[in-house]
Parts: sequence; C-alpha cells; structure tokens
Amino acid sequence: QQQVKQSPQSLIVQKGGISIINCAYENTAFDYFPWYQQFPGKGPALLIAIRPDVSEKKEGRFTISFNKSAKQFSLHIMDSQPGDSATYFCAASISGGGADGLTFGKGTHLIIQP
Amino acid sequence: DTGVSQNPRHKITKRGQNVTFRCDPISEHNRLYWYRQTLGQGPEFLTYFQNEAQLEKSRLLSDRFSAERPKGSFSTLEIQRTEQGDSAMYLCASSLFPGQYSSYEQYFGPGTRLTVT
Repeated sequence: QQQVKQSPQSLIVQKGGISIINCAYENTAFDYFPWYQQFPGKGPALLIAIRPDVSEKKEGRFTISFNKSAKQFSLHIMDSQPGDSATYFCAASISGGGADGLTFGKGTHLIIQP
Repeated sequence: DTGVSQNPRHKITKRGQNVTFRCDPISEHNRLYWYRQTLGQGPEFLTYFQNEAQLEKSRLLSDRFSAERPKGSFSTLEIQRTEQGDSAMYLCASSLFPGQYSSYEQYFGPGTRLTVT
C-alpha cells in the first residue's frame, strides 16, 4: 500500500518558470510533511517542511502548499534554475518519524531547460 | 559543521558474503535511522535507534539484516549472506528528539551503494 503518492514522475520546465510537484497521502495520522532534493549519487537533502496547522510555508524560492481536507500538499519552485534540476521527494511521518520513519513518494525527476 | 557520514561509499560483494556499513550521525543527534533506496524509488524505512535502543524495525528488515548502535553514537548495519536483491543504496539519517518542531528534521548522509554480483 503506497501511503504517499507523488506526481508527476518527471517534469520539464523552462528556466525562470514555476515547477509544481504534487503529493497526496492516505494516513490521517501523518503530521509532518517534508520535501527532499536529491542529486545523482548523493543522499537526500532537506529543502522545506510543513506541519498541518498551517496552509502554506515559504522559504526563498520554495513554497509548500498544504490542504488538510484534501490530504494533499505540493511544492512550488519559483524562478526555476538549471541548478534545480534534480529528483524531488515528498515524504510524511507521524510525530517526526518515530513510529515508522519517513514515508516517501516515488520521486519527481525535474529538468530545468536553460 | 560535520553532517552525517557513511562508510564505505561503495561496496561490491559476491552473493553469499557478509557486509557491514557504518554511519556516524550529527554529533548531538540522539535518533539514527536506516533507509534503503533502490533505483528510481524513494527511500524506504528499515529501522531506527533512539540513543542505543533500537525502537522500531520495518518488515523490510529480514533476519539477515542486523543493526547496532552500541554507545548511542555511530551505528552499523550488517547484511549476512547477501543476495542480488540486496543491491541498493543504504542511507542513514539522524535527528534530535524530542523537542521543538525542528526536532522532526532528519538529515541524511551520502549513502553506501551496495552491489551484489
């Protein structure tokens, strides 16, 4: 059972455009939703995270939008740059991952064309 | 500022051999997690420690896998009698718990790429 569904699988965006990646979750006990960025051969790097008590969080060019009733959250990358080309993973956990760690989506391969 | 480190970075072994990986977490972090990532997939949770206690194990962690964190600092993950299906990236992450919201943040190491031939 896939508890976090991520889409699209791959995404091509022009430089300067907005990249949008979506995730949906099933387990209503999830209370922490981070996004990770991963380059080939590297470990995932934490980008930004949100708790369900807020609907949006912004850090620099990265914004998370959260819809608790729809059980969906998304990552928006504004002014996308070629250096943003990477694989992005959404994840979810209960109380910081103590019970079952982080549950990850399958990832989105993002390519920013110059 | 030292992050999570993992050794070795790459390991090639023959089917049936035993392998051991090491993870050194961020120094003040008391929680340590192991994940496995196969090509084209997100990381999957294997197990985690709080200090030296192993508090949770995933169904993915078969009897051939064992993890330790003897002094609550570094951790080792051993795979006995490796199989080709064990080929994957093994990732370690650490966090500081309990506490504030920021304690939920898990920081990952670079991973150990295992290839079983």
